Amino acid sequence: TQLLEQSPQFLSIQEGENLTVYCNSSSVFSSLQWYRQEPGEGPVLLVTVVTGGEVKKLKRLTFQFGDARKDSSLHITAAQPGDTGLYLCAGGDNQGGKLIFGQGTELSVKP
Amino acid sequence: GAVVSQHPSRVICKSGTSVKIECRSLDFQATTMFWYRQFPKKSLMLMATSNEGSKATYEQGVEKDKFLINHASLTLSTLTVTSAHPEDSSFYICSAIPLGTSYEQYFGPGTRLTVT
Repeated sequence: TQLLEQSPQFLSIQEGENLTVYCNSSSVFSSLQWYRQEPGEGPVLLVTVVTGGEVKKLKRLTFQFGDARKDSSLHITAAQPGDTGLYLCAGGDNQGGKLIFGQGTELSVKP
Repeated sequence: GAVVSQHPSRVICKSGTSVKIECRSLDFQATTMFWYRQFPKKSLMLMATSNEGSKATYEQGVEKDKFLINHASLTLSTLTVTSAHPEDSSFYICSAIPLGTSYEQYFGPGTRLTVT
C-alpha cells in the first residue's frame, strides 16, 4: 500500500515568515500534485510536478519533486494571511488516475 | 477551464431517506471521475472511481449498495447515498480527469450532507 506522509499537520505562523511543508513516501510516484483547500470548498490545484528534481515556482510558492520521485516539498516565502488554508499533496501512480493523498497541512498565517 | 460543479452544495435529509449528489464537468469531458469523503480538518478519503459506461470501482470498506454511483455520460456522475444515517453526514467531493490527460484531477466545490 502506498502512503504519503505529510508534515507538519498544523502550522501557525506570523505574516512575513517562511515555511516549508514536506511530503515523503517510500514509493515512487509518476506525478505529485499540490492542492490548496479553503473551508467548505473543494481543493484547488496549485501545481503538478512529474520529473525527478523538478522545481516549479508560483509567485511566493516554490515546489520541488525529489530526485527519486518519492518526496516533495512546498516552500512559502513571506507568508500572508491569504495563504491560510489546508494544503494537500497527492501522488499519482499511473493506475487509472488515482491519487494518494497526504494527511494535509492546516496553515494559519496571522497578521 | 477545467471547471467541475456539484449539486447541491448543501443538503439536509432525514434518517432513512436517500440523497443524490451530482458532479458535472462543465467545460471538458471526463471518462473518469472520483468520489471522496472528507471529515473536518482532515484529508480526502477516496470512496470510489467512476468510469463512464461501466461499473464504479469501490475502495475497501466502502459499501457499494449504500453509495450508488452512476456515470452515465462524459460530463456527469452521480452519487446516491441510500438509507442515509447520521454517521453518513460529511463533506462529499468529486473530481474529474479531463479526457486525453492522465493524472491531473480537478475538484468540485463539495456537497455538505447532514443527516438528522
